Amino acid sequence: GENVEQHPSTLSVQEGDSAVIKCTYSDSASNYFPWYKQELGKRPQLIIDIRSNVGEKKDQRIAVTLNKTAKHFSLHITETQPEDSAVYFCAASPTGTASKLTFGTGTRLQVTL
Amino acid sequence: DSGVTQTPKHLITATGQRVTLRCSPRSGDLSVYWYQQSLDQGLQFLIQYYNGEERAKGNILERFSAQQFPDLHSELNLSSLELGDSALYFCASSTAGGPREQFFGPGTRLTVL
Repeated sequence: GENVEQHPSTLSVQEGDSAVIKCTYSDSASNYFPWYKQELGKRPQLIIDIRSNVGEKKDQRIAVTLNKTAKHFSLHITETQPEDSAVYFCAASPTGTASKLTFGTGTRLQVTL
Repeated sequence: DSGVTQTPKHLITATGQRVTLRCSPRSGDLSVYWYQQSLDQGLQFLIQYYNGEERAKGNILERFSAQQFPDLHSELNLSSLELGDSALYFCASSTAGGPREQFFGPGTRLTVL
């Protein structure tokens, strides 16, 4: 089955700096890669996603890049703000109607003033 | 608010007992997914239903079972509970079965004493 590894497990940046979180996946059949943000005690919420036919996607301060050959994808957050502090999860899902998400282990991002 | 509802919010029970967690997907969503989130295991996929039929299974224990009813709500049954079953249980829904955004409910926090 799919295995998703995520690094780093914790990340502390100063407000205004950039943050990068990296994930690798094992199953070449995976073709959908979402990123979820989870605040303490809350539900995971999708912040951006990318499909395997796209190499990069951007939404304001957030961008995701995908390297299918190397089986890795990354989340980039620019101009970080205190409200970006949360746990971020990458995930991978295969094609087809059995679209279970395999999650990485999460990155706790702390944005300090 | 994602539109996915889960009841109850909190559940405290004893080892050996049986509980039922309930999920109502967003209006129009045909797929329902169940995930378990514990401190040491992260977010783990349990099972997916699509329009009443089981579509994918993850590392779901034999003591756990689920079903999706004709009105598309779903129930997760956990029996012979053990201390290690204490976790947050999330339900998510999506419009169809293929890889696409999954909307998470607020979760049910299960504590087994």
